[in-house]
Amino acid sequence: EDQVTQSPEALRLQEGESSSLNCSYTVSGLRGLFWYRQDPGKGPEFLFTLYSAGEEKEKERLKATLTKKESFLHITAPKPEDSATYLCAVQAYNQGGKLIFGQGTELSVKP
Amino acid sequence: KAGVTQTPRYLIKTRGQQVTLSCSPISGHRSVSWYQQTPGQGLQFLFEYFSETQRNKGNFPGRFSGRQFSNSRSEMNVSTLELGDSALYLCASSLAGRQVAGELFFGEGSRLTVL
Repeated sequence: EDQVTQSPEALRLQEGESSSLNCSYTVSGLRGLFWYRQDPGKGPEFLFTLYSAGEEKEKERLKATLTKKESFLHITAPKPEDSATYLCAVQAYNQGGKLIFGQGTELSVKP
Repeated sequence: KAGVTQTPRYLIKTRGQQVTLSCSPISGHRSVSWYQQTPGQGLQFLFEYFSETQRNKGNFPGRFSGRQFSNSRSEMNVSTLELGDSALYLCASSLAGRQVAGELFFGEGSRLTVL
């Protein structure tokens, strides 16, 4: 069964304190792995897509990496505005646009 | 470029009633998916439509249904509402082809409360 597990469930950081979020997955034929950011009361906002092991993508203070079993979202020198829930999802071949989401990591960055 | 638009944003219903939610995708996007988000279960896939055809369906009872119109706009319907249907219903659109699905872009959601 296709499955996504994110850890930790919650993470509290001080402003400037770098850290990483983990996304472990099992999927029968990975087409893509997606990272989203979700603010309270809003829909998920697309961040990155990773397609193959070894791939990396960066956007401002965020960097996503992918291996055959997991993905990491590295946050460098976070700011309070980075506080949000970060969601990881996988898309399998022959499943159309269906995404299987993890439970998310709730990130809080204190000034 | 306008994003995904969902209406209504908030609604309150009572058990046994039915509800229809609407979604207008990003212009040019032909795939529309629906997800249910609850604190306990997270985001769960309901169904996906492409060119007015249901392409995939999640593990939800038959009370949950949807459709897509020729202009790619989509609606989902939940009949005989139960308390457990209270959730944030999210619509997402994708610039997808027949064989390839791309990144999904989500709307703000419709918050349904069932009393």
